[in-house]
Amino acid sequence: GDSVTQMEGPVTLSEEAFLTINCTYTATGYPSLFWYVQYPGEGLQLLLKATKADDKGSNKGFEATYRKETTSFHLEKGSVQVSDSAVYFCALTVRTNAGKSTFGDGTTLTVKP
Amino acid sequence: EAEVAQSPRYKITEKSQAVAFWCDPISGHATLYWYRQILGQGPELLVQFQDESVVDDSQLPKDRFSAERLKGVDSTLKIQPAELGDSAMYLCASSLASRGYGASNTIYFGEGSWLTVV
Repeated sequence: GDSVTQMEGPVTLSEEAFLTINCTYTATGYPSLFWYVQYPGEGLQLLLKATKADDKGSNKGFEATYRKETTSFHLEKGSVQVSDSAVYFCALTVRTNAGKSTFGDGTTLTVKP
Repeated sequence: EAEVAQSPRYKITEKSQAVAFWCDPISGHATLYWYRQILGQGPELLVQFQDESVVDDSQLPKDRFSAERLKGVDSTLKIQPAELGDSAMYLCASSLASRGYGASNTIYFGEGSWLTVV
């Protein structure tokens, strides 16, 4: 079946540090890949997405590149801020599975001033 | 900006009681999802609707959980009887996706309904 594996957290960084959160996947078909962010007590919000190999999704300084050869979609940001503290979820959706989405377990990021 | 509406936001119920959650998706979204999220884990799909039809309910504990979307718009998720292990956040989400063409569609989540079973 489909699965998403994220690097285990929590991750703690100082403000302006470089962020990488690793995500790898296995999928039965050709997936679209997503990163969602969840702030405390809230639902998930889409951060960025990529729908085909070598696509780069970007938003609010975050980037992730769809790497089919390594089945990865690592999230990066060059300079994190305190306001980036949240839980980040990597997810995939496969068309052949009626558009069902599979989520990773999330990585908690804490950014300290 | 249109949002997915959920209620109640918080619910505390005693074991063996019934509880229901309501969801109103973004207008025009054909696909509606109910997810369960246990603290420290990612969302787990319980049921997926395409319009009023169930597309996937393979992970729904059907002995105690039920879900309906009678007119293909809003939806209700019911638990009866509730058990201690049902304590979690229940997330409703929606997307424009039509069956078989939705892989790239964004899923929009509501703020969730927190359930505590005591």
